[in-house]
This record gives sequence, C-alpha cells and structure tokens, in this order.
Amino acid sequence: QKEVEQNSGPLSVPEGAIASLNCTYSDRGSQSFFWYRQYSGKSPELIMFIYSNGDKEDGRFTAQLNKASQYVSLLIRDSQPSDSATYLCAVDPLGNEKLTFGTGTRLTIIP
Amino acid sequence: SAVISQKPSRDICQRGTSLTIQCQVDSQVTMMFWYRQQPGQSLTLIATANQGSEATYESGFVIDKFPISRPNLTFSTLTVSNMSPEDSSIYLCSAVRAGGKEQYFGPGTRLTVT
Repeated sequence: QKEVEQNSGPLSVPEGAIASLNCTYSDRGSQSFFWYRQYSGKSPELIMFIYSNGDKEDGRFTAQLNKASQYVSLLIRDSQPSDSATYLCAVDPLGNEKLTFGTGTRLTIIP
Repeated sequence: SAVISQKPSRDICQRGTSLTIQCQVDSQVTMMFWYRQQPGQSLTLIATANQGSEATYESGFVIDKFPISRPNLTFSTLTVSNMSPEDSSIYLCSAVRAGGKEQYFGPGTRLTVT
C-alpha cells in the first residue's frame, strides 16, 4: 500500500522563525512530490513541487527531497502569521498524476 | 496555474437524492480528477475523469455511486447518487495543465446530507 506519512501536529513556531515540515513516503519509485497549503474552509493551494534530489527554493519556501531516505520536507523561513494553515504533502507514486496525500500538518505561527 | 471553478459551492441535500457537481477549467488541461475530503481528514482520490470515455475509479469507489462525465477537455461533472449522511464531505476537482505535472484544485463543493 502506497502511503504518505506526516506528523499531524499541531506545530507551533514563533513569528520570524523557521518552520520545518516533514513527510515520508513508502513507494521508492515515486518521482514527483508536492506541498499544498490549506487554510481552514478553503481548498488546497499548490506552493511547492520538487522532482529531483536536493533543495528547491522559491521565496521563503524551500523544498528538500532525499529519495534514498524517502523523505521530503518543506522549510518556511521568516514565518508569518499568514502561514498558519494545514500543510499537505502529496506524492505521485506511479508517475500518472494520481496523487496520494498525507494527513497534513497543522502549523500555527505565534505572533 | 489553472483557474478552476466549481458549482455549486455548497449544498444541503436529503438522503436518497442525487447531486451533480460541475467543474470548469479555464485552459487546456490533460488530466482532470475528483477527490473527496471528509471532515477533518486529508484528500482521497475518487476517480480520473477521462475525456470522452468512462472514468477510471479508485478502489472503494464505483460508477453507480459516483458517475463522472468529461465531454471535453475543460469540463467535468461528478454526481453523488443515492446520498446518505456518510457522503457529507467536500468534493474537489483538480486539473493538470498540458505540458506540466503540477495539479491545481478547484474551490470545492461542501455537501451536507441530512
């Protein structure tokens, strides 16, 4: 069974600090990895995607992928209260765009 | 990103009835999908909406309960049939733009079955 695991949190981080969100996946052949942000009552919003080992940076967000360890993470620098949301990790295990989602990590940024 | 709209945004329905949800994408896309997000939970893929042919359903979902149409590249419908309270959920459509792998979601339809 293809699984995606996330710590459900809640994760509390002071404003201005770095928030670190982690995700592990079971299917070693997975090729595509996505991070979505979901505010309460809203639909998921794609914020980062990564396909190759290493780091990918976009503004305050950095995605890190380690396929050998089957681990993908999201770092949020200079955390803002507006970053408070649930972050969903999604994996495409078969390369057919069918995503398997983790249960999400609820992040709270404390002013 | 693709702009995706869904109708209705929410509905309250009686047990035993059916509801059809519409999803419209603003640009050419390759793949369209339907997901369900039950209260307090993550997203579960229901099916892939295939243009001009029968949808491909995931384990635990069947065509009789969730018939799906996709008559063209940018439009799809999901019907929730013979509803029960267990069908109360948010239903989301998503799309992958041609030439990419990134998947974008519509605003969702919040369904309550009484």
